[in-house]
Amino acid sequence: QKEVEQDPGPLSVPEGAIVSLNCTYSNSAFQYFMWYRQYSRKGPELLMYTYSSGNKEDGRFTAQVDKSSKYISLFIRDSQPSDSATYLCAMSDTDKLIFGTGTRLQVFP
Amino acid sequence: DAGITQSPRHKVTETGTPVTLRCHQTENHRYMYWYRQDPGHGLRLIHYSYGVKDTDKGEVSDGYSVSRSKTEDFLLTLESATSSQTSVYFCASSPGVQETQYFGPGTRLLVL
Repeated sequence: QKEVEQDPGPLSVPEGAIVSLNCTYSNSAFQYFMWYRQYSRKGPELLMYTYSSGNKEDGRFTAQVDKSSKYISLFIRDSQPSDSATYLCAMSDTDKLIFGTGTRLQVFP
Repeated sequence: DAGITQSPRHKVTETGTPVTLRCHQTENHRYMYWYRQDPGHGLRLIHYSYGVKDTDKGEVSDGYSVSRSKTEDFLLTLESATSSQTSVYFCASSPGVQETQYFGPGTRLLVL
């Protein structure tokens, strides 16, 4: 079993929809949780960073961490075609990040 | 965005040949990383560096070596390339542990 599991999708939604992206993990020592966005043929870029449990909001994006369930989520409100990308969760307990495999999201007009 | 570049951006090589990929950052970040990205596997850490001449292995280090003689440069070498090393390679840097990693644009390597 992988340390971090992420549904690869693809996930296809209409513009304006609420999108929910999720990851589960097995290592209870993970304390730092991140979401990266990767456009086609580009490097990943950090979208959200949270420490321990709780919610964090940034514009249309909300990150949630539930350490008791070992489950993290990224919500995108009012999704736009420009949100079409692959979303990677990542988490860490020390100096290395463990990435999920990524979920490909397509937002159509 | 952190200034991080990779060279070459694309490379085709033959099995058994040595290959060196270069990562250059202008942010004076202490930490640098090499990942490979493959379908179904996501990003996997090959090697990382926590300072000049200080490096350590990652999850998939077999067949790869690294060197860091200056803060800004981190080299990844495939001593004898194999077809299983065909992949997209990303370099990243960060100012410290648990801080944001900034990624380069990637190098697409094809080993025939």
